Amino acid sequence: QVQLVESGGGVVQPGRSLRLSCAASGFSFSNYGMHWVRQAPGKGLEWVAVISFDGNNKFYADSVKGRFTISRDNSKNTLYLQMNSLRAEDTAVYYCAKDPLLRYLFDYWGQGTLVTVSS
Amino acid sequence: EIVMTQSPATLSVFPGERATLSCRASQSVSSTLAWYQQIPGQAPRLLIYDASTRATGIPARFSGSGSGPEFTLTISSLQSEDFAVYYCQQYNDWPPIFGQGTKLEIK
Repeated sequence: QVQLVESGGGVVQPGRSLRLSCAASGFSFSNYGMHWVRQAPGKGLEWVAVISFDGNNKFYADSVKGRFTISRDNSKNTLYLQMNSLRAEDTAVYYCAKDPLLRYLFDYWGQGTLVTVSS
Repeated sequence: EIVMTQSPATLSVFPGERATLSCRASQSVSSTLAWYQQIPGQAPRLLIYDASTRATGIPARFSGSGSGPEFTLTISSLQSEDFAVYYCQQYNDWPPIFGQGTKLEIK
């Protein structure tokens, strides 16, 4: 069955960096686009970034553009999110999600990893 | 950027009864609308995509309808495990946008 397992979250000071990982299994990872979606405490869902199946195309929400970088290693079945210049408003649970047809639709989600930006 | 508005914010329903949740887009999104269920402390789960197609493994009591700007999620006979927060999401235009959610609670 499809499994997505995020890691790398934690408490970080404003302005610092953090890298999240998402280990995928149970499907042909290299055939699918992947996303990061976040959820601030007690709030709704916000799409963050997408990467195509081959890693050649990447798009970002305006709120993170220029600060976050999405990448993937298909040989390791792993998705990444490099987060730089973190702000308090980046505090959220970060989910990785699989896209069935690169339609910006999310058919499987990981359990999420919490990032807290605080001094 | 499209705005997705869900109503009501909270819906109280007895188990076994029908629940109807609404989602409105600020402009037409054709049928590119998905519904997700999120149980507190868990990740969202895809229920419906393309406005009316149930995702894999989703029970038949969940149904979606609508197109353009107006959509509905109906749960025909509420089970205890259905009490959760439900989000709609459009994927017709970039960026993908979620509604603010409807909390379905036990009456």
